[in-house]
Amino acid sequence: AQSVAQPEDQVNVAEGNPLTVKCTYSVSGNPYLFWYVQYPNRGLQFLLKYITGDNLVKGSYGFEAEFNKSQTSFHLKKPSALVSDSALYFCAVSQADRGSTLGRLYFGRGTQLTVWP
Amino acid sequence: DAGITQSPRHKVTETGTPVTLRCHQTENHRYMYWYRQDPGHGLRLIHYSYGVKDTDKGEVSDGYSVSRSKTEDFLLTLESATSSQTSVYFCAISPGLAGGSAQTQYFGPGTRLLVL
Repeated sequence: AQSVAQPEDQVNVAEGNPLTVKCTYSVSGNPYLFWYVQYPNRGLQFLLKYITGDNLVKGSYGFEAEFNKSQTSFHLKKPSALVSDSALYFCAVSQADRGSTLGRLYFGRGTQLTVWP
Repeated sequence: DAGITQSPRHKVTETGTPVTLRCHQTENHRYMYWYRQDPGHGLRLIHYSYGVKDTDKGEVSDGYSVSRSKTEDFLLTLESATSSQTSVYFCAISPGLAGGSAQTQYFGPGTRLLVL
């Protein structure tokens, strides 16, 4: 069965410092991996995804994520955090192989990122 | 929010009453999804649609039904609302499976439902 784990409910970081939000996944076959961000009282916004190719994926707002197949991880990173990055971050996985059911996404429980000035 | 609207945005209802939430898209995307978001659970799929009149169940479908009579509209009905269905409901759309990039889902602004 497909699943996603975000081991940290909260991540706190000082503005200007690098940030990492962790994600590990379990899927039969090859994965598609996604990161979404949710600001208060808003829907989820797509940040970036890994489909195939380069393991380092760059996305919106200066975020990037590294796919590590051996560790089944897809951690979200940013070299220098901003206060405006404070939000709820979700990792999601979909099964990429043929026969997967309609690109269904399986979400982690979310990680609340707080960047303090 | 990628041409997706949800209505109503907020609703308070009483236990036992039927409730219908609407998702409307202007992107002409083939796939539509309904999720619920609850603290500690992330987002969980309720139902999805892969075309007009083509729908299927997700992982938390009990107590919910859906209909899709037009490409642009996907309705979620709580047949007899219960307090456990108090949640935030999100609609999402996706172009389809042609090419990996097609699997990105784009989300609406959400509907906050309170069942008393």
